[in-house]
Amino acid sequence: EAGVVQSPRYKIIEKKQPVAFWCNPISGHNTLYWYRQNLGQGPELLIRYENEEAVDDSQLPKDRFSAERLKGVDSTLKIQPAELGDSAVYLCASSTNPGNSYEQYFGPGTRLTVT
Amino acid sequence: DAKTTQPNSMESNEEEPVHLPCNHSTISGTDYIHWYRQLPSQGPEYVIHGLTSNVNNRMASLAIAEDRKSSTLILHRATLRDAAVYYCILMHYNQGGKLIFGQGTELSVKP
Repeated sequence: EAGVVQSPRYKIIEKKQPVAFWCNPISGHNTLYWYRQNLGQGPELLIRYENEEAVDDSQLPKDRFSAERLKGVDSTLKIQPAELGDSAVYLCASSTNPGNSYEQYFGPGTRLTVT
Repeated sequence: DAKTTQPNSMESNEEEPVHLPCNHSTISGTDYIHWYRQLPSQGPEYVIHGLTSNVNNRMASLAIAEDRKSSTLILHRATLRDAAVYYCILMHYNQGGKLIFGQGTELSVKP
């Protein structure tokens, strides 16, 4: 079974430029998460989708971040414009809901460097 | 959100058992105890979870205290590939699987 796929794996951009990350979850997983992980910290949830609906985006900085999950499958997270403080690893995860356990499967992440 | 407390780091010898502790004194009756680990340069990986009873799977065992205020992740025979940051997380059953990661325990394994 294929895991969660993310691209690109690495991205270097200058501040004020836009950037987008793509995620393809495990087939059949209706729940999709985007996390941000700063160096030396645990991941922090940005947004959660149930199918195509964003059901928790309370931690998403909406002035510059946006996300979409058209057709309830793959998803894109965008930053425009990027700031130096956005340098981090952006992780995508997906899950189904067997018995409320919500076991999550993570992708390898996209490491963003803003210069 | 209920919080967890873990030691910042632990050391283990290869092929010996490892007991990783976690305190969660403010746990509620509907919080699941989840453990994830993150190997260097990889995304987190699910290890095990439980609610009240001890749990075993191919990766590890989870021992949950009777009052549920603490738990211990047990790796029965540590290998070099088990060197990672281990996160103990409480997940409320109706929050859509929301994981709130803390600092975790960095486990190093010596050959």
